[in-house]
Amino acid sequence: NAGVTQTPKFQVLKTGQSMTLQCAQDMNHEYMSWYRQDPGMGLRLIHYSVGAGITDQGEVPNGYNVSRSTTEDFPLRLLSAAPSQTSVYFCASRTPTGLATEAFFGQGTRLTVV
Amino acid sequence: DQQVKQNSPSLSVQEGRISILNCDYTNSMFDYFLWYKKYPAEGPTFLISISSIKDKNEDGRFTVFLNKSAKHLSLHIVPSQPGDSAVYFCAAGEYGNKLVFGAGTILRVKS
Repeated sequence: NAGVTQTPKFQVLKTGQSMTLQCAQDMNHEYMSWYRQDPGMGLRLIHYSVGAGITDQGEVPNGYNVSRSTTEDFPLRLLSAAPSQTSVYFCASRTPTGLATEAFFGQGTRLTVV
Repeated sequence: DQQVKQNSPSLSVQEGRISILNCDYTNSMFDYFLWYKKYPAEGPTFLISISSIKDKNEDGRFTVFLNKSAKHLSLHIVPSQPGDSAVYFCAAGEYGNKLVFGAGTILRVKS
C-alpha cells in the first residue's frame, strides 16, 4: 500500500540545471497536484491535474512544467533551476474531483539550488 | 493575497490542556475545510474536515468549529498530548477544485 511516492527525497542542483521530480500514486486518484513549502508561506500550489491529459497552473507556476500522460504519474520539471526554487516539494493526490475528499501527500523532495 | 490565513505562527500548550488553533479565510465560495498535521521530514497527513453546511465536526480528541459569518474556523485538541507537537495546516477548497493552504501553526505540547 504505497500511496503517493516521490523521488528523489533530496537533491542539490546548480543554477541553470534542469531536473524532474517524480510523483506516482497507486490509488487510481484523478486529481494530482504539486505544492512547495517555504517558511512562513505554507503550502503553495504550483500545478495541478484533474485527470490524464489535463493540467493547469496554480499560484506559483513560473519556472515549472508538468505533464500527465497516465493516471498514476505526475512529474514536475524544473527547466532552469534558480536559487529561489530552493524549497521542499510535495506531491498530493485525491479522488474523486467532484467531492470534498482529503488529499494524500508524498513524503516530499527537499531541493537545494546553489 | 492570502485566501487562508493562520495568524499564529506558533502555540505552546501544557500537556493535558486544550490546544486551540485558528484559521481565517476570505473566499466565501469555499465549501469545505480541512486540517492537516505535519511532522518534520514527512508529508502532511489529513486530520479532520468540515463541510460548510455544518458548524462542528468531532473525531476523538479533535474538534473543528466553523463560523461561516465570520469566515473563521478553529481546531480544538483536548486533551493535548506531547505527540500532538507538529505543524498544523488549515486548508480550504471548493468542491471539485484545488485546495488552498494556510501558512501553518507550530504546536508544541510540553510535558
